[in-house]
Amino acid sequence: AQSVTQLGSHVSVSEGALVLLRCNYSSSVPPYLFWYVQYPNQGLQLLLKYTTGATLVKGINGFEAEFKKSETSFHLTKPSAHMSDAAEYFCAPHSGGYQKVTFGTGTKLQVIP
Amino acid sequence: KAGVTQTPRYLIKTRGQQVTLSCSPISGHRSVSWYQQTPGQGLQFLFEYFSETQRNKGNFPGRFSGRQFSNSRSEMNVSTLELGDSALYLCASSRQGITNEKLFFGSGTQLSVL
Repeated sequence: AQSVTQLGSHVSVSEGALVLLRCNYSSSVPPYLFWYVQYPNQGLQLLLKYTTGATLVKGINGFEAEFKKSETSFHLTKPSAHMSDAAEYFCAPHSGGYQKVTFGTGTKLQVIP
Repeated sequence: KAGVTQTPRYLIKTRGQQVTLSCSPISGHRSVSWYQQTPGQGLQFLFEYFSETQRNKGNFPGRFSGRQFSNSRSEMNVSTLELGDSALYLCASSRQGITNEKLFFGSGTQLSVL
């Protein structure tokens, strides 16, 4: 079974600064990797996903993530934070098979003006 | 195309009661999964239904149950409510429910147990 670690339950960045949200998964089998975002009082929506192919994945709203097998990591980055990026972000590795998703504990991103 | 619809949006119940939550998936999606979200435990998988059959189940007591209808709409039931059941319950749909698919989430039902 997959387990996932999101380092830092709260991250604060200044508007315009780099956003880096960390995700490490544990498995010997390369998984499918997803990042979801949850805005206040809403459900989750997909930011980006890695299945196969290019290890640098670009998503919506200027976010991207790089799959690093050797580090079992899938960190989420954005070069310049915007106020509208304030939300909670969840990393979710999938091992394959049917939907039984294990989400990370989430990282709340605060953007300071 | 309509998104995933969850009703009701808010619910207040007392301990010992039971509750039924509803989820209508995106048209054409046959897989519906349910999640419980709390500040302490985060997002936890409850179960997943595909073509009216439960395919996967998380580690929740038998008080939590669900079903799926022929039109793919799903209901979740919690019996004998406990204070700890207070949470945001989210459902998500996808076409086939295989794990390289994107999940589409509803806005959730916020359940408060008093």
